Amino acid sequence: GAVVSQHPSWVICKSGTSVKIECRSLDFQATTMFWYRQFPKQSLMLMATSNEGSKATYEQGVEKDKFLINHASLTLSTLTVTSAHPEDSSFYICSAYGGLGRETQYFGPGTRLLVL
Amino acid sequence: GESVGLHLPTLSVQEGDNSIINCAYSNSASDYFIWYKQESGKGPQFIIDIRSNMDKRQGQRVTVLLNKTVKHLSLQIAATQPGDSAVYFCAEGDDYKLSFGAGTTVTVRA
Repeated sequence: GAVVSQHPSWVICKSGTSVKIECRSLDFQATTMFWYRQFPKQSLMLMATSNEGSKATYEQGVEKDKFLINHASLTLSTLTVTSAHPEDSSFYICSAYGGLGRETQYFGPGTRLLVL
Repeated sequence: GESVGLHLPTLSVQEGDNSIINCAYSNSASDYFIWYKQESGKGPQFIIDIRSNMDKRQGQRVTVLLNKTVKHLSLQIAATQPGDSAVYFCAEGDDYKLSFGAGTTVTVRA
């Protein structure tokens, strides 16, 4: 149990385009989902916290208009990188927090984004 | 903000030996600690967790030790196997929000 998926697993796009990444909790309802970014050989950096039905809370230094987060249901959160640029190239990882009975974060497999 | 860090960025271990990975944390208010394993190109995989009311917890081939006095966390892996080669992260916080350390790359020598 506690499986989290991400789609796509990797994406290559041109500079200036927008990219949407989906995060799904497959076998449980996630009250909260988190989005992280990880650069090569670095740790995970929390970008934002997403609660179902409400606005995401962004960490300091993360542009909310650049990284749009939507958490429309208890099993799906999306991250849209708007007007992507090469410096946005990174590994994006989501996690889902299941609340009572699943009181920890379960991570997705990550999405590799390369902006040309 | 406060953060979690690891003592050593790399660890080389002979197959079959025991591994010990260390982590120092700075937030004395943290009540939940987790170890994750991350293989190249994949998301973090949960290994074991421990709450602040405990000082030791054992899993399959792994043991986590928590020393709240000196704010130190360690992960012990028994009989290290080639499949244990990965980057290991400690994280601290509460269930809701976690802060990750820098990571230790473990390489298992045959």
